[in-house]
Amino acid sequence: DAGVIQSPRHEVTEMGQEVTLRCKPISGHDYLFWYRQTMMRGLELLIYFNNNVPIDDSGMPEDRFSAKMPNASFSTLKIQPSEPRDSAVYFCASTSKGTANRYEQFFGPGTRLTVL
Amino acid sequence: EDKVVQSPLSLVVHEGDTVTLNCSYEVTNFRSLLWYKQEKKAPTFLFMLTSSGIEKKSGRLSSILDKKELFSILNITATQTGDSAIYLCAAENRDDKIIFGKGTRLHILP
Repeated sequence: DAGVIQSPRHEVTEMGQEVTLRCKPISGHDYLFWYRQTMMRGLELLIYFNNNVPIDDSGMPEDRFSAKMPNASFSTLKIQPSEPRDSAVYFCASTSKGTANRYEQFFGPGTRLTVL
Repeated sequence: EDKVVQSPLSLVVHEGDTVTLNCSYEVTNFRSLLWYKQEKKAPTFLFMLTSSGIEKKSGRLSSILDKKELFSILNITATQTGDSAIYLCAAENRDDKIIFGKGTRLHILP
């Protein structure tokens, strides 16, 4: 398995632009998590899905952020409009609660977002 | 509000030293405590702890949980330069929500 796949790996955009981050979880995993990491705030959980259904989005900073999971193999995190304070590394992670290692989250390589 | 606090924030030691990283948590409906290692890219899983007093061990790394004091430690003995990384502690609740601490940045000097 290729692991969790995220795209793009890096994005630089100007304030006010729409940003869409993409994630393909590991096949067979039924949980998907979106995190944001900055030096100041560390790794923050934004939202997570179980069987494509959003379970907890309390970590989403504001209405400019939205996430979808239209099927088991794809999720998006959208920021519209983007602001400089959104600059961070965004990680996607997946796991399956039905396996022996059910607490082990597998992280993607991350998307480094810079908003100018 | 649920929170996970790690200390120290940063640590620099010489190769061969032993280090202890601390993690305290306040999480409603706590289920498990997780440790991750993050080098240049994404975090990788180290340990999952659910019971107090039972040490988990992997090579030179070990970890233990105290559910009464809401505390966990991660020990690394005979440190090597390859142990340099950010070590993340996270608490999971029974709704599958995971809250991470800010991490301890460990640097091992040769």
